[in-house]
Amino acid sequence: DTEVTQTPKHLVMGMTNKKSLKCEQHMGHRAMYWYKQKAKKPPELMFVYSYEKLSINESVPSRFSPECPNSSLLNLHLHALQPEDSALYLCASSQAPAGGYNEQFFGPGTRLTVL
Amino acid sequence: AQSVAQPEDQVNVAEGNPLTVKCTYSVSGNPYLFWYVQYPNRGLQFLLKYITGDNLVKGSYGFEAEFNKSQTSFHLKKPSALVSDSALYFCAVGFRGYSTLTFGKGTMLLVSP
Repeated sequence: DTEVTQTPKHLVMGMTNKKSLKCEQHMGHRAMYWYKQKAKKPPELMFVYSYEKLSINESVPSRFSPECPNSSLLNLHLHALQPEDSALYLCASSQAPAGGYNEQFFGPGTRLTVL
Repeated sequence: AQSVAQPEDQVNVAEGNPLTVKCTYSVSGNPYLFWYVQYPNRGLQFLLKYITGDNLVKGSYGFEAEFNKSQTSFHLKKPSALVSDSALYFCAVGFRGYSTLTFGKGTMLLVSP
């Protein structure tokens, strides 16, 4: 299985809502990533987990809260988002250690709209 | 600081013709270089990478790229373009010991029938 799955595919939420994005992989990868991508722009790294521990937080606002319950799952909890947070949220995984020469496998993304 | 440049916002090519998508990098040390492709409303898909060794790297779907250290380039090529190759292409650079990739801004490839 060489697939990274993400749910939901689409999400519309108000600024006071709480929601979660989910990501799952069964490739045995021990590095997982969250990216934010605006239309026709490169992905912007948000968080990196290595061996289920948060190793990088790219100064992301606290309204985004990542969680890695086990080596296959990655969540992104959302609360009190702003309209400018509307974007495609991509999850990726790779062999550990994160980065370096290890290629990342991306999920299809969750298209988030904040009203 | 490391950076990656994709000098063309868009590349247009006719089906059956060879294609080149350009990438140059500015780094100190020995980089790892990657190409990813993104089809509409999809995530990024890994095409190929250069770590060390042979400067010509072959990847998925008939794509290849040549690492040129003197010109600090890693251009993506394909001998014969397909309409289905139309997509957004990203070059990226990584380093040993660094958990992050630096992406170029992306190049839209449009292949006309």
